[in-house]
Amino acid sequence: DAKTTQPPSMDCAEGRAANLPCNHSTISGNEYVYWYRQIHSQGPQYIIHGLKNNETNEMASLIITEDRKSSTLILPHATLRDTAVYYCIAKLSNAGGTSYGKLTFGQGTILTVHP
Amino acid sequence: GAVVSQHPSWVICKSGTSVKIECRSLDFQATTMFWYRQFPKQSLMLMATSNEGSKATYEQGVEKDKFLINHASLTLSTLTVTSAHPEDSSFYICLVGGVGNIQYFGAGTRLSVL
Repeated sequence: DAKTTQPPSMDCAEGRAANLPCNHSTISGNEYVYWYRQIHSQGPQYIIHGLKNNETNEMASLIITEDRKSSTLILPHATLRDTAVYYCIAKLSNAGGTSYGKLTFGQGTILTVHP
Repeated sequence: GAVVSQHPSWVICKSGTSVKIECRSLDFQATTMFWYRQFPKQSLMLMATSNEGSKATYEQGVEKDKFLINHASLTLSTLTVTSAHPEDSSFYICLVGGVGNIQYFGAGTRLSVL
């Protein structure tokens, strides 16, 4: 799986959009980009994933650059409950879209949402 | 609702005792589950891959005789920390595959060894 690089920390004001960047310059064509977050003392929570196209769900949006070397997770209206460590992970998946391989975690980005 | 059930959520034990942690896949059959460990202020580190009906695969540096993994059914994997010592105190988390190319974590088990 390709290595990912994230800033160690970011701040965001409550109600504003939080944009978390991730660099994955060595990502291969069949590696997906996954985002998880971990709130203190809890198991990581799945947020979103994508391959090429931008994705949106009820939690966030994922913007992947055309060359796929970087991506941005967007929390459109951050709340205090979004304060967590956010992990960006590149993971190999097969053409069928199923992959239950391991997830390799970096240090992630500590996002602090303040009032 | 929860996709993965992990318990206990917190356990305190005396040094030298063994502790068993369970990870259950609630919505699907999982031939593979993963066990992670996380020390304070650190990221998650993969300990081992649990394979249904066969031996677990351990990451380098993880003692297989100390961290016993049993994956006897498609919905249950257990991690037993044998003869626990204070240095084994950590946050243990399981990971299970799901539908739609998404994997889910358990809520984690905080182990404190006195």
